[in-house]
Amino acid sequence: SQTIHQWPATLVQPVGSPLSLECTVEGTSNPNLYWYRQAAGRGLQLLFYSVGIGQISSEVPQNLSASRPQDRQFILSSKKLLLSDSGFYLCAWSAGAWTEAFFGQGTRLTVV
Amino acid sequence: AQTVTQSQPEMSVQEAETVTLSCTYDTSESDYYLFWYKQPPSRQMILVIRQEAYKQQNATENRFSVNFQKAAKSFSLKISDSQLGDAAMYFCAPAGNEKLTFGTGTRLTIIP
Repeated sequence: SQTIHQWPATLVQPVGSPLSLECTVEGTSNPNLYWYRQAAGRGLQLLFYSVGIGQISSEVPQNLSASRPQDRQFILSSKKLLLSDSGFYLCAWSAGAWTEAFFGQGTRLTVV
Repeated sequence: AQTVTQSQPEMSVQEAETVTLSCTYDTSESDYYLFWYKQPPSRQMILVIRQEAYKQQNATENRFSVNFQKAAKSFSLKISDSQLGDAAMYFCAPAGNEKLTFGTGTRLTIIP
């Protein structure tokens, strides 16, 4: 069966520090991968998605970037965090177009 | 491009009663799927129900059913015999080619 791992679960980082959130998927190959951000009590904002290694689509220009160095690995990064980067970050995968997404447990990021 | 509107930020229902959550969407794609997800306080995203846009028959999953009106681009979720465990944020999400777009969510409260 397929599983998705996302870590860390919580993170407190100072303004201006770098960020690296990692997500890996097991039990499937060539998944679509997604990073979403959820502000407190709000909906999910799609940040990045990837349909293959090295292929990244950015939905919202911002202080973040994403990379997919391996088929089942998706990384969310920032060189210098801003206070506005605080939120709940969710990684997800899907088998392809028009299919449901399966989510990781999420990372609660607080920038102080 | 896809847009999703959930016009009810909050809803409440008496336990064992029925409640309907509304969702309208817009998409330029001819083939797509529609999903409802729930997010309980644990913040884990859980798939509730899916609907293929090419099917006229409304999807049902135990106490959950949808009213899909393709021409009106409406996709409402009906929860029958509401239970305390149904309390959560509910998100409507159309899935087109490559990505899944979420609405802003409806917070459902169950009154004992």
